[in-house]
Amino acid sequence: EDKVVQSPLSLVVHEGDTVTLNCSYEVTNFRSLLWYKQEKKAPTFLFMLTSSGIEKKSGRLSSILDKKELFSILNITATQTGDSAVYLCAAGSGGSYIPTFGRGTSLIVHP
Amino acid sequence: EAQVTQNPRYLITVTGKKLTVTCSQNMNHEYMSWYRQDPGLGLRQIYYSMNVEVTDKGDVPEGYKVSRKEKRNFPLILESPSPNQTSLYFCASSSGGPVYEQYFGPGTRLTVT
Repeated sequence: EDKVVQSPLSLVVHEGDTVTLNCSYEVTNFRSLLWYKQEKKAPTFLFMLTSSGIEKKSGRLSSILDKKELFSILNITATQTGDSAVYLCAAGSGGSYIPTFGRGTSLIVHP
Repeated sequence: EAQVTQNPRYLITVTGKKLTVTCSQNMNHEYMSWYRQDPGLGLRQIYYSMNVEVTDKGDVPEGYKVSRKEKRNFPLILESPSPNQTSLYFCASSSGGPVYEQYFGPGTRLTVT
């Protein structure tokens, strides 16, 4: 059975802190790892990772994939209150149209 | 503007009263799907569609039906809703399936009493 596990489940930090969110996966015929941000509404896309060791960056957010150890991390530097959200990780596999989502990491950033 | 729309956004209904949640996308995406999101359980896929007239079950299809008669629309039908279907529902679309970026609708919060 395919599985995606995110850790920690929740995180409370102060503005300016750097955080690292983890996502480990066990997926048959792995194709891609996707990160989404969910505020009090629909998930919005952050990154898609398919190759090991290639960092994707967008402003203060960055992510990397390790296909040997089967995990990905999402880093957020200099956190702001607007980063408060649930961050979802999903794995896509070739030959399946059903993605596997993790349960998410809830991040709260205090001013 | 590229978007996925859902209606209604909020719905309170009673057990057994058939309902339909509509979903429409304007990006000409072939892949569309429905998810439910429950506290502690994350996003679980209900049904998906790879193209017009092609649909298949996701992880939690029991109690739901879908249809895909047009490329842009993918309605979710609850023929006899029950309280355990109280949840937050999202429709999503993608150009190439879930291995690629999915665009999510705003969500429909359904309460079945």
